[in-house]
Amino acid sequence: DTAVSQTPKYLVTQMGNDKSIKCEQNLGHDTMYWYKQDSKKFLKIMFSYNNKELIINETVPNRFSPKSPDKAHLNLHINSLELGDSAVYFCASSQDVATIFTDTQYFGPGTRLTVL
Amino acid sequence: SQQGEEDPQALSIQEGENATMNCSYKTSINNLQWYRQNSGRGLVHLILIRSNEREKHSGRLRVTLDTSKKSSSLLITASRAADTASYFCATGGGGSEKLVFGKGTKLTVNP
Repeated sequence: DTAVSQTPKYLVTQMGNDKSIKCEQNLGHDTMYWYKQDSKKFLKIMFSYNNKELIINETVPNRFSPKSPDKAHLNLHINSLELGDSAVYFCASSQDVATIFTDTQYFGPGTRLTVL
Repeated sequence: SQQGEEDPQALSIQEGENATMNCSYKTSINNLQWYRQNSGRGLVHLILIRSNEREKHSGRLRVTLDTSKKSSSLLITASRAADTASYFCATGGGGSEKLVFGKGTKLTVNP
């Protein structure tokens, strides 16, 4: 059974478009994350939600808006896509925000976004 | 800001050899984790070492942590072709409310 799933796996779109990436975890975890991995493999956290509430919001353009309808889902909506948004976006989850440093984070397979 | 820096950036070895990767960080930490990323896949947790631990083992993996030097090493013994992947260290704590990942070491194990 897939623990953390993301859709779509690949996303190719034109500059200026709006797109969404969906993430679901079936681990019963309270905390979910979005990471961005650039072409040099550098992985940087964007957002973190605990039980549907935003707890980490890195310096991310407000064109990026996460939404958590329930604690098992964390979606990422991106408005007015730019060339620099091209990257692989990973969703992850962990048990509890209180143990954020000691919890294993479980990653989804990633969504490769290409903006043309 | 980036915390962990892995070294080397890339490593190529023959099957059966040992592979050692290093991670250096800048601030104090609560723990350090190592993750593996196979090509085109998400990261997979390998091992966690706490700041009060010096060495930890898991199967063919051995992790050391030297908080005085702010560095950690990951040793994979008797490597296999299936170990080919990128390996990332991630630090937690030190005033940061998130895990901070390094840039990773790309390991290639040749059959």
